[in-house]
Amino acid sequence: QKEVEQDPGPLSVPEGAIVSLNCTYSNSAFQYFMWYRQYSRKGPELLMYTYSSGNKEDGRFTAQVDKSSKYISLFIRDSQPSDSATYLCAQGTGANSKLTFGKGITLSVRP
Amino acid sequence: EPEVTQTPSHQVTQMGQEVILRCVPISNHLYFYWYRQILGQKVEFLVSFYNNEISEKSEIFDDQFSVERPDGSNFTLKIRSTKLEDSAMYFCASSLYGGSGANVLTFGAGSRLTVL
Repeated sequence: QKEVEQDPGPLSVPEGAIVSLNCTYSNSAFQYFMWYRQYSRKGPELLMYTYSSGNKEDGRFTAQVDKSSKYISLFIRDSQPSDSATYLCAQGTGANSKLTFGKGITLSVRP
Repeated sequence: EPEVTQTPSHQVTQMGQEVILRCVPISNHLYFYWYRQILGQKVEFLVSFYNNEISEKSEIFDDQFSVERPDGSNFTLKIRSTKLEDSAMYFCASSLYGGSGANVLTFGAGSRLTVL
């Protein structure tokens, strides 16, 4: 199976909280992992991507891949109400940028 | 900022009718894609298109589906005879490069198809 599974939601946190979003993947052949953010009535927008293992940081966001456990994580520090959206993890699984998505988790940051 | 434009935003059709969903990708992008998302389910890959031909398609993309780039700017998805289970949000995406999966896909806002 070439699935990406994502923790179910929804998730509601107070403003300023640290948020941890997690996914697992089953196909080890492809090592590109992405996090997309989707606001209501909009298409997915690339937030971050990582290759293979390790961390990648961009401002308040950190993406982490653990190859040994096939785990993908997104951490959001100092969460803001504007972070309220659906977050989708995805794995690049094809030669032509074909993506396999998780189901998405809806995050709500309460002021 | 350049964006992918999709029309219509919402289409309601009767089962068995043909539907064409239209997309204007980002002008200098070379790779084009259609994904769909049935309500409450995952975003699923349908097809990728490069150099005027399909480069990859999923098992969902059967003979009822076709894609075309009729001119230099539009990219269309046609469903010949719609079924109830075709009801979904259809996303068009484009990217400058193809490759191993690290390329940035820019998605449109989607076209919601409702089949009655």
